Amino acid sequence: EVQLVESGGGLVQPGGSLRLSCAASGFTFRSYEMNWVRQAPGKGLEWVSYISTRGSTIYYADSVKGRFTISRDNAKNSLYLQMNNLGAEDTALYYCARSEGTFDYWGQGTLVTVSS
Amino acid sequence: EIVLTQSPATLSLSPGERATLSCRASQSVGSYLAWYQQKPGQAPRLLIYDASKRATGIPARFSGSGSGTDFTLTISSLEPEDFAVYYCQQRDNWPPITFGQGTRLEIK
Repeated sequence: EVQLVESGGGLVQPGGSLRLSCAASGFTFRSYEMNWVRQAPGKGLEWVSYISTRGSTIYYADSVKGRFTISRDNAKNSLYLQMNNLGAEDTALYYCARSEGTFDYWGQGTLVTVSS
Repeated sequence: EIVLTQSPATLSLSPGERATLSCRASQSVGSYLAWYQQKPGQAPRLLIYDASKRATGIPARFSGSGSGTDFTLTISSLEPEDFAVYYCQQRDNWPPITFGQGTRLEIK
């Protein structure tokens, strides 16, 4: 069974940093592209970042470019999102999602709240 | 950036009725369009990919159609568990990957 389990969310002050993790199991992690998608409270879905199977290709949404860094460790079956200089607009539930073009499996999300 | 516009914003129907949800793209996305269902407190679930292909385990009452800029998700006969929010998503011209704003399907 495919499982994606996010962790690392929490309350952080504006300008602060957080590192999110996503632990994958039930599939060959190194063979799949991965993404982060977020959802602000009561709002729709927003794609945040993409990483290819070996990490050689990375993309970001303009809203996070220069502040967020996606990475993966295929030996540990893990996906990461380093988030710096956080603002109130980054408050959201962050999902990791496996993709083969579309997002076929999602984790349950980890909540990031940016507030003083 | 390709903008996806979903209509209606809210659809009120009764169990057993047919639901028709629309997604329009600001430019052609070919057939690279997906539909997701999201229930309160849950992660989105992939329903349809490549415009018309049902994902694994998705009931046959869900169907997708369209190409280019106009797409439709049809639920042939609504079950109580189908009342949720539905999102479309394109992967033709990315980054960025974009989603529609969602259609809320509520019980009438």
